[in-house]
Amino acid sequence: DTEVTQTPKHLVMGMTNKKSLKCEQHMGHRAMYWYKQKAKKPPELMFVYSYEKLSINESVPSRFSPECPNSSLLNLHLHALQPEDSALYLCASSQDRSGANYGYTFGSGTRLTVV
Amino acid sequence: AQSVTQLGSHVSVSEGALVLLRCNYSSSVPPYLFWYVQYPNQGLQLLLKYTSAATLVKGINGFEAEFKKSETSFHLTKPSAHMSDAAEYFCAVSVDSGGYQKVTFGIGTKLQVIP
Repeated sequence: DTEVTQTPKHLVMGMTNKKSLKCEQHMGHRAMYWYKQKAKKPPELMFVYSYEKLSINESVPSRFSPECPNSSLLNLHLHALQPEDSALYLCASSQDRSGANYGYTFGSGTRLTVV
Repeated sequence: AQSVTQLGSHVSVSEGALVLLRCNYSSSVPPYLFWYVQYPNQGLQLLLKYTSAATLVKGINGFEAEFKKSETSFHLTKPSAHMSDAAEYFCAVSVDSGGYQKVTFGIGTKLQVIP
């Protein structure tokens, strides 16, 4: 298995809703990442997990809450989002956080719309 | 701090013509460099990577890139464009930043292939 699987593919949520994005990989990668990509922009790093521990939080608002229950799963919990949070949310993994030098494997993303 | 600059946010080529997408990097230490491709509403796929083993790097789908330290460039080429090459291409640089590999993406170049 050489894939990163993200669910759901599309999500529409109201500003008072609570939802979660899910990311799964079975490649034995020990680093996992959340990126946010706005239209016509490059991906922007949000969080890095290394060996199931949060290593990097790029000053992301607390309405985004990451969780890494085990080495294969990465969640992003969403609460009280704003319309400007609408974007493509990408999950990626690498062998470990130095393995980023050898490239990431990206999922196909969750297209989030906040109404 | 490291960065990449992609010259040309849009590039159009005729089917069968040479593809040249430009990327220049800025890094105070030897960088790791990557090209990713993104099709509409998809995640990013690694095309190729430079990790100092060889200056001419061959990737998937017939793409290759040459690392030129004197020019701080890592341009992406393909001898003959195919309609299926139409996509967004991102150049990225990875540099050690306090034990963590920080990856920075360029703004992207949208490749249009004209029949």
